[in-house]
Amino acid sequence: DTEVTQTPKHLVMGMTNKKSLKCEQHMGHRAMYWYKQKAKKPPELMFVYSYEKLSINESVPSRFSPECPNSSLLNLHLHALQPEDSALYLCASSHGGGGTDTQYFGPGTRLTVL
Amino acid sequence: GENVEQHPSTLSVQEGDSAVIKCTYSDSASNYFPWYKQELGKRPQLIIDIRSNVGEKKDQRIAVTLNKTAKHFSLHITETQPEDSAVYFCAASRRNTGNQFYFGTGTSLTVIP
Repeated sequence: DTEVTQTPKHLVMGMTNKKSLKCEQHMGHRAMYWYKQKAKKPPELMFVYSYEKLSINESVPSRFSPECPNSSLLNLHLHALQPEDSALYLCASSHGGGGTDTQYFGPGTRLTVL
Repeated sequence: GENVEQHPSTLSVQEGDSAVIKCTYSDSASNYFPWYKQELGKRPQLIIDIRSNVGEKKDQRIAVTLNKTAKHFSLHITETQPEDSAVYFCAASRRNTGNQFYFGTGTSLTVIP
């Protein structure tokens, strides 16, 4: 399996809801990433997990909470989001977290916050 | 930290012509430079990459060149086709930064049939 998968594809939520985004890879990669992407802008890094430990948190608001249950799975828990959080949320994985490894992206979850 | 600039932001070419997108970076320690293509509503997909020990790399109609002295790298697409229309992002990274990619701002390429 050479793909990163993400569920759901689309998510609409109100500002008081709690929801989770899921990401999975079976390539044996040991680094996984969450990115936020607005239309026609580059992906913005949110979190990096390396060997199941959070290694980078790019000053993301606490209403986003990442979780890495095992080396193949990555979750992003969402709570009390704002309309400006509406975006495409991309997961990526790479062989390791030491630098200069190719990152492979999932198809993304299109999030709309009402 | 690293700063990657990408030009042009939009590019229109006639089918069959060549397209060139340029990126400059600021951190001389950066040593890995991938290029991603993102079609509308789809994931970014790696199309080619280059490491700092190589000056040029080619894959069919796509090539990337790297000038370490000037700290710039370029994507060259020859014989463009309508399916090449997409947003292209360059990126730079180096060791010991948690594999953090620094992305350029993107180039929206339109190939006119």
